[in-house]
Amino acid sequence: GQQVMQIPQYQHVQEGEDFTTYCNSSTTLSNIQWYKQRPGGHPVFLIQLVKSGEVKKQKRLTFQFGEAKKNSSLHITATQTTDVGTYFCAGPYSGAGSYQLTFGKGTKLSVIP
Amino acid sequence: NAGVTQTPKFRILKIGQSMTLQCTQDMNHNYMYWYRQDPGMGLKLIYYSVGAGITDKGEVPNGYNVSRSTTEDFPLRLELAAPSQTSVYFCASSYGGFTDTQYFGPGTRLTVL
Repeated sequence: GQQVMQIPQYQHVQEGEDFTTYCNSSTTLSNIQWYKQRPGGHPVFLIQLVKSGEVKKQKRLTFQFGEAKKNSSLHITATQTTDVGTYFCAGPYSGAGSYQLTFGKGTKLSVIP
Repeated sequence: NAGVTQTPKFRILKIGQSMTLQCTQDMNHNYMYWYRQDPGMGLKLIYYSVGAGITDKGEVPNGYNVSRSTTEDFPLRLELAAPSQTSVYFCASSYGGFTDTQYFGPGTRLTVL
């Protein structure tokens, strides 16, 4: 079953408002990755978090990894129309004798100008 | 570097037809992956390869086959296409395993009628 839950599934914001998406895992993760997919495009790697409680920033984007390494969040400050897209978290899970990267269903962000 | 390239970009198949989706990477990555993405869903791993001559099943392998004769190429074969295989297919590669950044190709949009 689904091991990585992401909420919300959709988010509509006015340009300039903040946005947050949350990722929850059923098990402890060794690391978590975040990807962005523009409409009609392909996923593009944003960042990887490895340490418990880690916080990383990329301009207006702030990524956090929970203390228990079972949840993560992505926060965008003052959204812009260029932020439109679907944001996915992904974590490595054991499956069929090896680790596989399992993706959440993503949060689709719409920004109203 | 072109990165990860996929052909074709679009394809329409009739039920029962077969086809091969091509994927090539020029980054000398060891790992390669095939995912499918259905509307509103995350990415599901179909097959992956840890190097030339070595492939393994992912989460949703039924109805597909792969081969990896070279480091660069990782074709995905659909035999006896079914409507349930209508999806967008992404090929990806990474230097290391599932904890490494994955680089995605532009995708192939497949419709089976």
